[in-house]
Amino acid sequence: NAGVTQTPKFQVLKTGQSMTLQCAQDMNHNSMYWYRQDPGMGLRLIYYSASEGTTDKGEVPNGYNVSRLNKREFSLRLESAAPSQTSVYFCASTFWGPSSYEQYFGPGTRLTVT
Amino acid sequence: AQKVTQAQTEISVVEKEDVTLDCVYETRDTTYYLFWYKQPPSGELVFLIRRNSFDEQNEISGRYSWNFQKSTSSFNFTITASQVVDSAVYFCALSEAQETSGSRLTFGEGTQLTVNP
Repeated sequence: NAGVTQTPKFQVLKTGQSMTLQCAQDMNHNSMYWYRQDPGMGLRLIYYSASEGTTDKGEVPNGYNVSRLNKREFSLRLESAAPSQTSVYFCASTFWGPSSYEQYFGPGTRLTVT
Repeated sequence: AQKVTQAQTEISVVEKEDVTLDCVYETRDTTYYLFWYKQPPSGELVFLIRRNSFDEQNEISGRYSWNFQKSTSSFNFTITASQVVDSAVYFCALSEAQETSGSRLTFGEGTQLTVNP
């Protein structure tokens, strides 16, 4: 049981380059999320997927796109990277039940855009 | 709009001291959930607790305790007899209680806790 995995762990991009951050969970959770964490700030929601086949914008979606490929995988794409997207990106998955709750975060992807 | 405020940016204590981390929130929802997370220096995020807005009972888990007061919109976190391993950034977060839309968290800016030996 690996929990939530993210690839890559580190990435350096030049302005204008594109890349996709991958996230996978093996806990059969319905909901998955992408957050970014900037220095001195809490996490901010970029996009989320409440269930397979659905995606919605969060607080800071500009410059990003997402794909919920299946129940396990939720990818985040930067089409044209900008220095303002330098951040640590966390993927998370959640099970929300009437009396139970599980949430796990991936280890993060540290992205630098020069 | 939801908002979470952690007014304490940094706290430094000596080992074995008790320390309280403050969290104040704003929401228009009558049903919501409050969370605390720990982010140690290694960078991963660790879920500590979830509390729903209907349950104002204080909770204790070992050296950790949480005080939820709806009247003051606060959800404070106390570590008793702090240890060096408690050094981390602690985040308070708030979520609407719509299961169909998932658990979208609004985070505070975090409190850096340093426990010195």
